[in-house]
Amino acid sequence: QSALTQPASVSGSPGQSITISCTGTSSDVGGHDFVSWYQQHPGKAPKLLISEVSDRPSGVSYRFSGSKSGNTASLTISGVQPEDEADYYCNSYTSSRTLVFGGGTKLTVL
Amino acid sequence: QVTLKESGPVLVKPTETLTLTCTVSGFSLSGPRRGVSWIRQPPGKALEWLAHIFSNDEKSYSTSLKSRLTISKDTSKSQVVLTVTNMDPVDTATYYCARIRALEIDLDQWGQGILVTV
Repeated sequence: QSALTQPASVSGSPGQSITISCTGTSSDVGGHDFVSWYQQHPGKAPKLLISEVSDRPSGVSYRFSGSKSGNTASLTISGVQPEDEADYYCNSYTSSRTLVFGGGTKLTVL
Repeated sequence: QVTLKESGPVLVKPTETLTLTCTVSGFSLSGPRRGVSWIRQPPGKALEWLAHIFSNDEKSYSTSLKSRLTISKDTSKSQVVLTVTNMDPVDTATYYCARIRALEIDLDQWGQGILVTV
C-alpha cells in the first residue's frame, strides 16, 4: 500500500486560508468516506482534526474543515493562526481493510 | 478520561524481537466499536500505520510489514501487545498506540509514544 500523496510544505500569513491536498486512489480515498486528518506539533503525539472526510470532533476549531472530490481529499484552515504551525497528515481506510497515511505536510505561518 | 500509554524497551539490537505494550484506561478493549492501532514515526519522517485489533479480535496488518508483526490483546489487563521480529536500524522510530473508532475508522486518542532505537 503506497502512502497517500501530500505536498511537503505549505505556507500562509496569519488570517489567510490554506488548503492541503491528499491524493490517493479508488482503493482508498476515492473508495469511501473514511478519510481523517491529524495535526502534529513538534515532539507531540498527533491529534485528530477531521473524521469521515468532513466531521470535526468536539473541541476542534471551526477554522478546520475537510472535503473530498474523487480520489483527492482536502484540509482547509481558514484564518491561519501562528499556533497552527505544525505537520498535518491525512489517513484513509483501504479496500484491503488496512489504513494508510499521507507523507505529511509542514505548515509554516509566515 | 481516555488514556493510552506505550511501554517496552527503548533500545534493541539488530535481529532481536521488539515487544511493545499499550495499556489503556477510560475504555474497555471488549467494548463495542473500539479497538487499538499501532503507528510508528521514524525521526523526522512521516507516520506509518502498522496494525490494529478490534474488540471482536479482528486484526489487520500493514501489507509491507505483515510477515514481521503480531498484534494481540489481553482484555483483563487492558493491554494490547505488538511484536516486531527481526528488528533493523531502519525500524528506529517513535511507536504510538492509538484508539481506533470502528464506525468512523479514525484514531481519536493517542498515547505519548515511545522512541525505540535499534
